[in-house]
Amino acid sequence: KAGVTQTPRYLIKTRGQQVTLSCSPISGHRSVSWYQQTPGQGLQFLFEYFSETQRNKGNFPGRFSGRQFSNSRSEMNVSTLELGDSALYLCASSLGADRGLQEKLFFGSGTQLSVL
Amino acid sequence: QKEVEQDPGPLSVPEGAIVSLNCTYSNSAFQYFMWYRQYSRKGPELLMYTYSSGNKEDGRFTAQVDKSSKYISLFIRDSQPSDSATYLCAMTRYGGSQGNLIFGKGTKLSVKP
Repeated sequence: KAGVTQTPRYLIKTRGQQVTLSCSPISGHRSVSWYQQTPGQGLQFLFEYFSETQRNKGNFPGRFSGRQFSNSRSEMNVSTLELGDSALYLCASSLGADRGLQEKLFFGSGTQLSVL
Repeated sequence: QKEVEQDPGPLSVPEGAIVSLNCTYSNSAFQYFMWYRQYSRKGPELLMYTYSSGNKEDGRFTAQVDKSSKYISLFIRDSQPSDSATYLCAMTRYGGSQGNLIFGKGTKLSVKP
């Protein structure tokens, strides 16, 4: 069974540009979450999508947005990039079906974004 | 005060040693506690998951939760060079939803042959 796939693996952008990152979850998983990982702040939750709807959102500015498609694939977009957006962006998927128990999250290897 | 505190290390131990990794937290509402392992240039993978207080054992790994002290631990017995990675604790109030995971910043572990 293929794992969570994130593309691209590495990305270099300049300030003010916008970027779109892609995530393909494990087959059958309907929930996709995005996290930002930096040395200073660690792993921070961005948002979660389930069945094409945003189910949860972290404390990030509106420049960070996402969407999920009918096949559960997800994209996140960052507009007007700032130097501080340089980070590893991780996508994680889970079945998303049972809200009563904490589900196992499966992470991709991430997209390393560098903003110059 | 951050919700979850974790000593970043680095922690270096000889092969075969017992490793103790710890996190403290401030939110008494946390009920679900997890430990993730992250190898360099990879995403985190779930190692252990515990609900509420108590111990859980899985092979060489033991997770402990002490809610009265707001303290969680991960013990690794007979540590191996392949255990060299960053270990992240995570916790949440809620079951199911992924959006409420609060992570520690991770402890970098190095196991020397």
